Amino acid sequence: AQSVTQLGSHVSVSEGALVLLRCNYSSSVPPYLFWYVQYPNQGLQLLLKYTSAATLVKGINGFEAEFKKSETSFHLTKPSAHMSDAAEYFCAVSGSSNTGKLIFGQGTTLQVKP
Amino acid sequence: DTAVSQTPKYLVTQMGNDKSIKCEQNLGHDTMYWYKQDSKKFLKIMFSYNNKELIINETVPNRFSPKSPDKAHLNLHINSLELGDSAVYFCASSQVSSGANYEQYFGPGTRLTVT
Repeated sequence: AQSVTQLGSHVSVSEGALVLLRCNYSSSVPPYLFWYVQYPNQGLQLLLKYTSAATLVKGINGFEAEFKKSETSFHLTKPSAHMSDAAEYFCAVSGSSNTGKLIFGQGTTLQVKP
Repeated sequence: DTAVSQTPKYLVTQMGNDKSIKCEQNLGHDTMYWYKQDSKKFLKIMFSYNNKELIINETVPNRFSPKSPDKAHLNLHINSLELGDSAVYFCASSQVSSGANYEQYFGPGTRLTVT
């Protein structure tokens, strides 16, 4: 079975500070990993994805994530937070079947303080 | 053009009623999904259809019945609504058959409130 754990349900940073959102996964097969962002009252938008190519993945809005197999982690980072980054962030792993099923972490709320 | 659309965006109804939510995707994808997001924002898959065939059916009450008239549409019908059905329901689509990376595109959600 596959699972995702996001460490920290709430993260608060100051504008301009580093953003680090943590995600650890469990998978019996090589995983596909995703980060999605959800702004208030909106659907989920893909930030970036890891598909067994480069381990450092760059996404939209200045975000990036690094796949570390030895640590089973896929942490999301951004060098400098903007007020507009305040949102809910979800890490997800693809299911082991060929159904495209995604298993989501519980989400992390990012608060950006002025 | 909206890639994945859902109607309605908001749905307020009373316990015991029957309601439907519709979803359409114009991405040409072969697989569509329904997710439920609860009040704690936890996302859980409910159903998935691949080319009109049900391929994922998680532990969901029988009151929930998905229907896919074609691969661009996936509807969700809910019978005898209960208070606990109140949530945001998201539709999503992806291209699975090509062995792609299961990237899913989400609709804007339908906020269902049962009173």
